[in-house]
Amino acid sequence: AQTVTQSQPEMSVQEAETVTLSCTYDTSESDYYLFWYKQPPSRQMILVIRQEAYKQQNATENRFSVNFQKAAKSFSLKISDSQLGDAAMYFCAFPNFGNEKLTFGTGTRLTIIP
Amino acid sequence: DTEVTQTPKHLVMGMTNKKSLKCEQHMGHRAMYWYKQKAKKPPELMFVYSYEKLSINESVPSRFSPECPNSSLLNLHLHALQPEDSALYLCASSQVITPVYEQYFGPGTRLTVT
Repeated sequence: AQTVTQSQPEMSVQEAETVTLSCTYDTSESDYYLFWYKQPPSRQMILVIRQEAYKQQNATENRFSVNFQKAAKSFSLKISDSQLGDAAMYFCAFPNFGNEKLTFGTGTRLTIIP
Repeated sequence: DTEVTQTPKHLVMGMTNKKSLKCEQHMGHRAMYWYKQKAKKPPELMFVYSYEKLSINESVPSRFSPECPNSSLLNLHLHALQPEDSALYLCASSQVITPVYEQYFGPGTRLTVT
């Protein structure tokens, strides 16, 4: 079974600084997508970024970028120039092959310090 | 338009009540999902509909009854719930269920069972 691990339950970063959230996963598949979701205190889950495993280039969306290490099965999220609005719970998610479900990590709660 | 809407935003119900949660998307997605989320935890999958047919039931108690009247609508009928069913209920949609693409989430319904 596929597993997703987020080893940092909580993190904090000074406003305008850079922070990296880690995520590792386990799979025997070779082609798949990986996702980072953000859930602010207002609760709506928002897709932050998507990475396609067959693409060597790391995905980037404005201040959000990933460091995808396929061999190491690592998928970390880097947030540059952190803003107060980035405060949220961040979940990485990975497809559970064989039953078409998304497996979510346990989440990292990010606090932005003004 | 990448919006999934859910009503109501909040719901308080007694253990003998019958109520329904509603979800709507107009993105042309053919897969729709119900999740249950407890505080500070990742979403837990409950049901998956693919092309308006129930595809996955994660062994959810029968007091939860899903319904997909058409490709844009998803309902969750609630009856004889228990206090431990109090949670945030999230609806999501995606293009199809396989391959596993990103899912778009609604804002959720905060359910309290008294």
